[in-house]
Amino acid sequence: GAVVSQHPSWVICKSGTSVKIECRSLDFQATTMFWYRQFPKQSLMLMATSNEGSKATYEQGVEKDKFLINHASLTLSTLTVTSAHPEDSSFYICSARAPGGGYSYEQYFGPGTRLTVT
Amino acid sequence: KQEVTQIPAALSVPEGENLVLNCSFTDSAIYNLQWFRQDPGKGLTSLLLIQSSQREQTSGRLNASLDKSSGRSTLYIAASQPGDSATYLCAVNNFNKFYFGSGTKLNVKP
Repeated sequence: GAVVSQHPSWVICKSGTSVKIECRSLDFQATTMFWYRQFPKQSLMLMATSNEGSKATYEQGVEKDKFLINHASLTLSTLTVTSAHPEDSSFYICSARAPGGGYSYEQYFGPGTRLTVT
Repeated sequence: KQEVTQIPAALSVPEGENLVLNCSFTDSAIYNLQWFRQDPGKGLTSLLLIQSSQREQTSGRLNASLDKSSGRSTLYIAASQPGDSATYLCAVNNFNKFYFGSGTKLNVKP
């Protein structure tokens, strides 16, 4: 149980275009999902917290107009990278908090999406 | 802001050795700490989750300990195998935000 999927697993796009990444909790409902990015040989950095039915909360330094997050249902959150540039090339990973509420619950991570902007 | 540090950054050992990976964090007000494994170009695999009220967790050859007051956790791997080669990340949960360390890249030589 507690499986999180991401789609696509990798994507190549041209500079200036927009790319949408989906994050789905397959066998549980996730009121809260998280988006991270990881540059080569670096650790994961939290970009934003996505709450179902409300606006996402962005970490300091993350451009909310560039990285649009939509959490329209309890099993789906999407990250859209708008007007992508080569510096947006990165590994994007989402996670979903286990059901039941509270802060002590485990997060389950998706397999990640590798974005390359040419 | 929570800062998480992992030492060493890289480790190369012969097969069969027992080894310890270290993780330290600056803010002890955590809800839990989680150890992950990441293979190159892949996502995260959760290894162990330790709640703030717990001292340790075990799974197979892995044992993780937590000393919240001193801001430290260790991951002990017994009888290492080449298949254990990967990057190991620790992450602390502060108010429902996970802060990751930079990882320890482990290479177990046959």
